[in-house]
Amino acid sequence: GENVEQHPSTLSVQEGDSAVIKCTYSDSASNYFPWYKQELGKRPQLIIDIRSNVGEKKDQRIAVTLNKTAKHFSLHITETQPEDSAVYFCAAIYVLTGGGNKLTFGTGTQLKVEL
Amino acid sequence: DAGVIQSPRHEVTEMGQEVTLRCKPISGHNSLFWYRQTMMRGLELLIYFNNNVPIDDSGMPEDRFSAKMPNASFSTLKIQPSEPRDSAVYFCASSLSSGLTNQPQHFGDGTRLSIL
Repeated sequence: GENVEQHPSTLSVQEGDSAVIKCTYSDSASNYFPWYKQELGKRPQLIIDIRSNVGEKKDQRIAVTLNKTAKHFSLHITETQPEDSAVYFCAAIYVLTGGGNKLTFGTGTQLKVEL
Repeated sequence: DAGVIQSPRHEVTEMGQEVTLRCKPISGHNSLFWYRQTMMRGLELLIYFNNNVPIDDSGMPEDRFSAKMPNASFSTLKIQPSEPRDSAVYFCASSLSSGLTNQPQHFGDGTRLSIL
């Protein structure tokens, strides 16, 4: 089955600095890679995603890159703000024969943005 | 859109009791997922349904856990009998899955379950 590894487990940055979270996946059939942000006591919320036919995607201060050959994908947050503090999860999805899709999550990165 | 709706939001019960968690997916979504989240194990996929049919229940920890999806707008996750180690936040998520195209999964607010 799919295995997703995520690093680092904790990340502390100064406000205004950039933050980078990296993930690797094992199954070359994975074709969709969402990133979720989870604030304390709340549900995971999708913040950005990328499909396997794209190498990079940006949305304001957030960008995601994908290297299919190396099976790496990364989340980049620029000009970090205190409200970016949360746990971030990467995930890899592949479509199953017979219908449906299977999502495997990374173990999460606790991001803390300090003033 | 109301999003994925879960109930109850919080459940506290004594070990040995039956617990039923409920989920209403986003209208039009045909895939539904049950997850469990703990500090130790992170987010674990328990089971998921596609077009109301269970596709993969390999994540269900024990026979004490069961899930049903009688129709496209409702699913339950049941634990009987419950044990203290079942204490966790249980999330339901739904997505639209069509052919080779994946769409994002949207999560409900979760049920925080405490077994005493």
